[in-house]
Amino acid sequence: QQPVQSPQAVILREGEDAVINCSSSKALYSVHWYRQKHGEAPVFLMILLKGGEQKGHDKISASFNEKKQQSSLYLTASQLSYSGTYFCGTGYNQGGKLIFGQGTELSVKP
Amino acid sequence: GAVVSQHPSRVICKSGTSVKIECRSLDFQATTMFWYRQFPKQSLMLMATSNEGSKATYEQGVEKDKFLINHASLTLSTLTVTSAHPEDSSFYICSARWARGYTFGSGTRLTVV
Repeated sequence: QQPVQSPQAVILREGEDAVINCSSSKALYSVHWYRQKHGEAPVFLMILLKGGEQKGHDKISASFNEKKQQSSLYLTASQLSYSGTYFCGTGYNQGGKLIFGQGTELSVKP
Repeated sequence: GAVVSQHPSRVICKSGTSVKIECRSLDFQATTMFWYRQFPKQSLMLMATSNEGSKATYEQGVEKDKFLINHASLTLSTLTVTSAHPEDSSFYICSARWARGYTFGSGTRLTVV
């Protein structure tokens, strides 16, 4: 039931773009994206609900393909502050528990 | 808005003792609280879901008698790790549902020696 994230790790230079994917074997109600820095709690990035939508703020955006049961997180013109581990949390009904993917470790180098 | 305060942030305890972790919602009512455990370089694994005023629902493989969850009010949920052992050492995080999604506490680093 755990969603699968890819890639597991990615290294970028400042200014480069990255895409992180999250796939579920079950029909999704929602996808939640978080970034976690080492030793800290996850920080909310955005939520996408079924119906297929795309959201974004600043240089981070995400899409949700309900049919394919997957979501992608897009990071453009990456900054050093983007470094961390990105998790997608998948929800299967409104207000229910979230199940998290294994995480994608992103490192942005100067 | 939607702040969850989690305490303590770090705790070291002796093997065989119990540790209580508290999560308080400061500016909203948390009818549902989720408790996660995270081992180094791993994902957040859901342990249990607690609803205010009722018994918690535990995920498969999580010992109910070892990880006691109490959600007695709309603003407070507690996780007690009983008879802690070194293998219980981990990062414990609570999460609460609010109007715009889910918010996390700051986490508790538990070390059992």
